[in-house]
Amino acid sequence: GAVVSQHPSRVICKSGTSVKIECRSLDFQATTMFWYRQFPKQSLMLMATSNEGSKATYEQGVEKDKFLINHASLTLSTLTVTSAHPEDSSFYICSARDDRGIHEQFFGPGTRLTVL
Amino acid sequence: GQNIDQPTEMTATEGAIVQINCTYQTSGFNGLFWYQQHAGEAPTFLSYNVLDGLEEKGRFSSFLSRSKGYSYLLLKELQMKDSASYLCAVVDSNYQLIWGAGTKLIIKP
Repeated sequence: GAVVSQHPSRVICKSGTSVKIECRSLDFQATTMFWYRQFPKQSLMLMATSNEGSKATYEQGVEKDKFLINHASLTLSTLTVTSAHPEDSSFYICSARDDRGIHEQFFGPGTRLTVL
Repeated sequence: GQNIDQPTEMTATEGAIVQINCTYQTSGFNGLFWYQQHAGEAPTFLSYNVLDGLEEKGRFSSFLSRSKGYSYLLLKELQMKDSASYLCAVVDSNYQLIWGAGTKLIIKP
């Protein structure tokens, strides 16, 4: 199957700093990528849909100025958590949709963010 | 609105069979996925159904009835490593994935 990488896998930062997470589709092009957040023992929550070459679409309740998304190429999307606070500590997962075939989403391994 | 329902938690015994149900109400339908997610890891693909019927893949099978808005995931010969959350997701008319909350499956020896 297709491979999606995500970097970093784990990050610890101080409150008030910004953290950038990269999501790459390694062997296919992805016009659309998705960013999810998952708190412990809870389900995936879609944060935003990232479209190559255009602005991301944010889900209700997600602050677009706090979670900056850039999808500059067909293989790379980035999520920047600006001015991170402890409540932003979570598991962030990206997925890339293969526009061919059944539109399956391939997930990255996730990034565990801890804000001190 | 769009809605996907699946049980929150199920318990089964090693070696047994378990069926995880999923019912959905979405704007359009372009397929249904089942994903497995172990704690602290990203989801991994299990199955995809777009036509009615049963798809079998080893110990796992998935069934779909579009007229009933219903699917199930059947796991046979359960192993301890099958303890995980199982996520049902439907592709709507805009090719967006609508996620269920997931079913946590606990396997006991």
